[in-house]
Amino acid sequence: EAGVTQSPTHLIKTRGQQATLRCSPISGHTSVYWYQQALGLGLQFLLWYDEGEERNRGNFPPRFSGRQFPNYSSELNVNALELEDSALYLCASSKRGQDNEQFFGPGTRLTVL
Amino acid sequence: QKEVEQDPGPLSVPEGAIVSLNCTYSNSAFQYFMWYRQYSRKGPELLMYTYSSGNKEDGRFTAQVDKSSKYISLFIRDSQPSDSATYLCAMRPLTGANNLFFGTGTRLTVIP
Repeated sequence: EAGVTQSPTHLIKTRGQQATLRCSPISGHTSVYWYQQALGLGLQFLLWYDEGEERNRGNFPPRFSGRQFPNYSSELNVNALELEDSALYLCASSKRGQDNEQFFGPGTRLTVL
Repeated sequence: QKEVEQDPGPLSVPEGAIVSLNCTYSNSAFQYFMWYRQYSRKGPELLMYTYSSGNKEDGRFTAQVDKSSKYISLFIRDSQPSDSATYLCAMRPLTGANNLFFGTGTRLTVIP
């Protein structure tokens, strides 16, 4: 069974640009979660999508947004990039009703210069 | 105060030692408790999760939850060099938010 995949592996942007990160969940999983892992801060919850709808968002500004497609893959968009957005962005997926078992992808390393 | 506190380490132990990793938390609504292992430049890997208080064992790993003290532990028996990684605790409430609340992780090195 293929795991959660994310693309790109690395992304380098300059301040003020926009970044788009992509995630494909495990087959059969309908929920997708996005987390930010900044140095020294641990994983911080960004967004949760289920069945194409945004169900919850963490304490991040509106320039962090995303969507979930009919095939349950997901996209995270970060507008007006700031230096402090540099982090590892992790996507996780779970089956409906099994939110305790969230399986993570390898992440996208975003660097903002 | 962070909702989940975890000693960042680093922690170095000789091969074969028993490792104890711990987290404390402040939100009494947390009911589900998870442990993840994260190797360098990889995503976190779910080791196990427990519900409410008590112990759960899976091979060399034992998770323990003490809700009265708001304290959880992960024990690793007969530690191996391949156990060298960062260990993250995570938790969530019974109802409401489905996202996980993470500790910052403890970096463990098992020395051959």
